Amino acid sequence: DAKTTQPPSMDCAEGRAANLPCNHSTISGNEYVYWYRQIHSQGPQYIIHGLKNNETNEMASLIITEDRKSSTLILPHATLRDTAVYYCIVGGGVVGTSGSRLTFGEGTQLTVNP
Amino acid sequence: EAQVTQNPRYLITVTGKKLTVTCSQNMNHEYMSWYRQDPGLGLRQIYYSMNVEVTDKGDVPEGYKVSRKEKRNFPLILESPSPNQTSLYFCASSSPVNEKLFFGSGTQLSVL
Repeated sequence: DAKTTQPPSMDCAEGRAANLPCNHSTISGNEYVYWYRQIHSQGPQYIIHGLKNNETNEMASLIITEDRKSSTLILPHATLRDTAVYYCIVGGGVVGTSGSRLTFGEGTQLTVNP
Repeated sequence: EAQVTQNPRYLITVTGKKLTVTCSQNMNHEYMSWYRQDPGLGLRQIYYSMNVEVTDKGDVPEGYKVSRKEKRNFPLILESPSPNQTSLYFCASSSPVNEKLFFGSGTQLSVL
């Protein structure tokens, strides 16, 4: 499975966009990019995922570069409740096959400041 | 409400005393998995199951057992717990169709 590289920490002002980068230079053609977040010691929460195209949902936007070697998670208007550890993961398109071995890594600690 | 339920939330035990952490999901998901989380090591997968009676090892299976006799339940068994199994454990489930992992609230285990 491909590995990801994320900055250990980032800060963002409340109300501003938070842009979290992720490098996944060894991603293979059928692997998706997933983003999860974990608040304190709660169970991780799914945010968004994508394969090639940019994706947007009610929580965030995911921008994947054309060569798929990196991506950016965008929280358009960060709030204090968005303070969490954000995990970028790559894995198979169907969880339960190669995606069953999703490797979470240590993620990025995002701190949203008032 | 769709959820993954783990029990207990906290558990303190002694070395060698067998224990089971239960996990149940009400979403009819085929896929279930166990992770442990340790400071500086992130979330590591212990075991996973693609369906009833189908289980496989993750990255750190040593010292753990699982079973999947029913679709909704996926218990984690520590036959002879040791202090290095002190950790925060998470159960997760998903359907291959939607590819989203749903996580339980976690079980904090301390082995003395």
